[in-house]
Amino acid sequence: QKEVEQNSGPLSVPEGAIASLNCTYSDRGSQSFFWYRQYSGKSPELIMFIYSNGDKEDGRFTAQLNKASQYVSLLIRDSQPSDSATYLCAVRGRNYGGSQGNLIFGKGTKLSVKP
Amino acid sequence: KAGVTQTPRYLIKTRGQQVTLSCSPISGHRSVSWYQQTPGQGLQFLFEYFSETQRNKGNFPGRFSGRQFSNSRSEMNVSTLELGDSALYLCASSQRADIQYFGAGTRLSVL
Repeated sequence: QKEVEQNSGPLSVPEGAIASLNCTYSDRGSQSFFWYRQYSGKSPELIMFIYSNGDKEDGRFTAQLNKASQYVSLLIRDSQPSDSATYLCAVRGRNYGGSQGNLIFGKGTKLSVKP
Repeated sequence: KAGVTQTPRYLIKTRGQQVTLSCSPISGHRSVSWYQQTPGQGLQFLFEYFSETQRNKGNFPGRFSGRQFSNSRSEMNVSTLELGDSALYLCASSQRADIQYFGAGTRLSVL
């Protein structure tokens, strides 16, 4: 059973701090890694994707991938109250029939940024 | 460019009925995936269609089915509804194989 694990939180950080969100996955054959943000009552919105080991930065967001440890993280610098949402980690593995596998989502970490 | 459009946004059905949900992908996107989201189970993959063919299927009973048309629009059908089918059903489209963009979802309530 391929799994993606996230701490459900809530993770509470003060405004202006760095929020660190973590995710582990079980399938070593996983190829693509995504972070989605979901506000209450809304649909998931793509924030970042990463394919290779290391860091990828986009504005205040940095995704970090370590395939050896099967670990992916999202850092949010200068956190704002508007960042308060649930953050979903998603992993796409290899479909052993040859085509790309489906996306597997973690259950999400709820982030609260306090003014 | 218009985003992913799902209709209807809200549905109320009773047990035993069937329901059809519709999804229009972003123009030019040929892949459509469906997910069920519940508070307890999170986002669970239902199926993925590409060029009218089902490419992947999740671990759901046969009451859940789908199809994709030549214009890439997709429908999913749930027959013999159960209370546990109450959920937010999300459709996601992609142009590349793996970057998916979600629609607003259809919230289904089964009474």
